[in-house]
Amino acid sequence: GENVEQHPSTLSVQEGDSAVIKCTYSDSASNYFPWYKQELGKRPQLIIDIRSNVGEKKDQRIAVTLNKTAKHFSLHITETQPEDSAVYFCAAILGGSYIPTFGRGTSLIVHP
Amino acid sequence: DTAVSQTPKYLVTQMGNDKSIKCEQNLGHDTMYWYKQDSKKFLKIMFSYNNKELIINETVPNRFSPKSPDKAHLNLHINSLELGDSAVYFCASSHGTMNTEAFFGQGTRLTVV
Repeated sequence: GENVEQHPSTLSVQEGDSAVIKCTYSDSASNYFPWYKQELGKRPQLIIDIRSNVGEKKDQRIAVTLNKTAKHFSLHITETQPEDSAVYFCAAILGGSYIPTFGRGTSLIVHP
Repeated sequence: DTAVSQTPKYLVTQMGNDKSIKCEQNLGHDTMYWYKQDSKKFLKIMFSYNNKELIINETVPNRFSPKSPDKAHLNLHINSLELGDSAVYFCASSHGTMNTEAFFGQGTRLTVV
């Protein structure tokens, strides 16, 4: 299987709803988990990250949780707005490597 | 004062041609990468280059070759272009050994006709 799996591939919500994107990774030695947002025609940009010594991190409307035992981490967006519409990528730095390995992306659509 | 810049932004070329994409970073990072993003948006690592150590994704055809004249540059050369090479190519950089955020260039949309 893939080193980083991401679900769902598409997510459609109404403005104001919450959105949750989940990722799993295979290497228990992984210790850094960034999340990137890519707007249409733009470059991926970091929105939040978490390290393996932390279980949860929050920045305004976005939060990330990490469960090292289960090897999964999630992105939570509350009070979604149309400008949150984009493709979101999770990534992991796999053990023994410094190379970010990306999930396949989630296309989030927020309907006004 | 763009952090990671790559040129050109668009590249249209015929099958069989050889082309290059340039990438420069002014962040003082020690590691640079090339990713390929296909039509399904999947970001696939092609190469990473750190302190003269090149790591190649084994699935990348040897028609693709990175060239790093110095720590701030990692150019991508592609020989004998094929239709399937059409994609968006992103350069990125980071403090690789510190496991920190990767900064991406604006991407180069390559179209092979």
